[in-house]
Amino acid sequence: DTGVSQNPRHKITKRGQNVTFRCDPISEHNRLYWYRQTLGQGPEFLTYFQNEAQLEKSRLLSDRFSAERPKGSFSTLEIQRTEQGDSAMYLCASMGENTGELFFGEGSRLTVL
Amino acid sequence: AQRVTQPEKLLSVFKGAPVELKCNYSYSGSPELFWYVQYSRQRLQLLLRHISRESIKGFTADLNKGETSFHLKKPFAQEEDSAMYYCALQTTDSWGKLQFGAGTQVVVTP
Repeated sequence: DTGVSQNPRHKITKRGQNVTFRCDPISEHNRLYWYRQTLGQGPEFLTYFQNEAQLEKSRLLSDRFSAERPKGSFSTLEIQRTEQGDSAMYLCASMGENTGELFFGEGSRLTVL
Repeated sequence: AQRVTQPEKLLSVFKGAPVELKCNYSYSGSPELFWYVQYSRQRLQLLLRHISRESIKGFTADLNKGETSFHLKKPFAQEEDSAMYYCALQTTDSWGKLQFGAGTQVVVTP
């Protein structure tokens, strides 16, 4: 499968713990996006990278959240000191240069107890 | 700020009947509109976008700037159309940064 890959697919953690999600985009795609989806809602934009540069961050991305894409390939999204409100599906997507179509991964579901 | 509204959370139709999913948006500029679909146990994927003016899997959507709408239509629903459908808006020069609606679950019964 050469699509967008995310892991872990599911993560259950206790409040206050740190978690990290990884996203491997389609190899030739230079843009990578993180979205968050909660129950009954559509995905909400969090942040995006063009190559290794993080170009925009949503106000949803509090200072407990940090995303990296160190070599312009895979990306990580880390949440520190998790809260119950962080429970959601975290979606990664990639896009080729200005093609307009996002290719989504299957998502990483986070449950904070 | 831009906003996308999908007024129906659930749409139940019979196979062979027409189906229309409503999408309204608010944005003062020139938007690009998309429909994304998520079939059961599959990832979210692009169904169609207004600039391509294509019919995909029998679905069409017309951008009506006067009514700020981008409704999705299909004349004859099939069971395989059962899925979650999301309308999404992209503002000028914001490639990939989409504002999604809350989604409409479509159930097609035989």
